[in-house]
Amino acid sequence: AQTVTQSQPEMSVQEAETVTLSCTYDTSESDYYLFWYKQPPSRQMILVIRQEAYKQQNATENRFSVNFQKAAKSFSLKISDSQLGDAAMYFCAYRSANSGYALNFGKGTSLLVTP
Amino acid sequence: KAGVTQTPRYLIKTRGQQVTLSCSPISGHRSVSWYQQTPGQGLQFLFEYFSETQRNKGNFPGRFSGRQFSNSRSEMNVSTLELGDSALYLCASSLVPGDQPQHFGDGTRLSIL
Repeated sequence: AQTVTQSQPEMSVQEAETVTLSCTYDTSESDYYLFWYKQPPSRQMILVIRQEAYKQQNATENRFSVNFQKAAKSFSLKISDSQLGDAAMYFCAYRSANSGYALNFGKGTSLLVTP
Repeated sequence: KAGVTQTPRYLIKTRGQQVTLSCSPISGHRSVSWYQQTPGQGLQFLFEYFSETQRNKGNFPGRFSGRQFSNSRSEMNVSTLELGDSALYLCASSLVPGDQPQHFGDGTRLSIL
């Protein structure tokens, strides 16, 4: 089974600064998808960004970008110009056809944004 | 377009009881997945339904079951509730299995006394 590891239980960043959240995963598959989800206190899981493993170019979505290192099995999330609304739990997740497309989540990183 | 709707939002039960949670997917979405979120185990996949059939199942005991109706609405049932079943239960929908992205509901918070 694939394992997704987020080694930072908590992170803190000042408003307008940049923060990077780490994620590593273990798989023997070559075709898969990686995601970062955000879960604010409202509980709804919100997709932040996704990356297809076959794409070498790193995904970006406005202030959010990833550093996808396939050989190292690393998938970090960079948040630029952090805003108070970015405070939330962030989950890294893995998905593949072989696992029936079920999302396999890491334990999460709690991000605190300070003024 | 309305999002994924889960009812009820909160639920309190006692050990040994059973419970049914409901999930209405986004209109047109036919795949519904369920996840359990606990502080200890994190987010774990329960099962997925598509076209009224369970197509994928996580590693949970048989006390956890589900079904999907012809309008794609899904229910999950937990029988003989245990304290460890206290969790946030999240539902996610997509057009078809594997479609990106999955859209999540706000969850049902189940507390077992």
